[in-house]
Amino acid sequence: GAGVSQSPSNKVTEKGKDVELRCDPISGHTALYWYRQSLGQGLEFLIYFQGNSAPDKSGLPSDRFSAERTGGSVSTLTIQRTQQEDSAVYLCASSLPGSPLSYTFGSGTRLTVV
Amino acid sequence: DAKTTQPTSMDCAEGRAANLPCNHSTISGNEYVYWYRQIHSQGPQYIIHGLKNNETNEMASLIITEDRKSSTLILPHATLRDTAVYYCIETGFQKLVFGTGTRLLVSP
Repeated sequence: GAGVSQSPSNKVTEKGKDVELRCDPISGHTALYWYRQSLGQGLEFLIYFQGNSAPDKSGLPSDRFSAERTGGSVSTLTIQRTQQEDSAVYLCASSLPGSPLSYTFGSGTRLTVV
Repeated sequence: DAKTTQPTSMDCAEGRAANLPCNHSTISGNEYVYWYRQIHSQGPQYIIHGLKNNETNEMASLIITEDRKSSTLILPHATLRDTAVYYCIETGFQKLVFGTGTRLLVSP
């Protein structure tokens, strides 16, 4: 596609429910990244995919968070048993591997846990 | 954690040059300096990157000091649409670690 597509754009969920966030990267971009941004804060790295494997998942805040990528394309970030502190904008980016790291970001999914 | 230091905020008059400084005193020989910006409610946007030479593209210029411990992003003729948070990042080839950036306000 022309850009990185994320869905849904907004998600309101009740505390304790599971949510799935989807990212569709630019065609041909083998690297995919998930970040989250809490209100008024900077971007927090979550996980990085190269193809279908995740060589760096150091930013996942707890075992309630997981992500997968299939076919070297679409990625899903799953948050189990959501908590209010999970409320944030979840951003996905894709790039060609190596230098330069000129990421293209999606518009994000705004998650609100009530 | 982010390894760069930037001022929290800066102001610039429309039409003037905006010069955004960044300190990256721990940068290693194979690490690049990247600049991104984030306009309100949007995902970050790539601006420019460099290793040791000065760089220019259609968006901005990047001036890197000879010792590579600091750099300056220059927007030559700032417009109101350049109001954003600007992030300076030093990194190798794996991932970008964003700090809190500089909030640039361009005023009429």
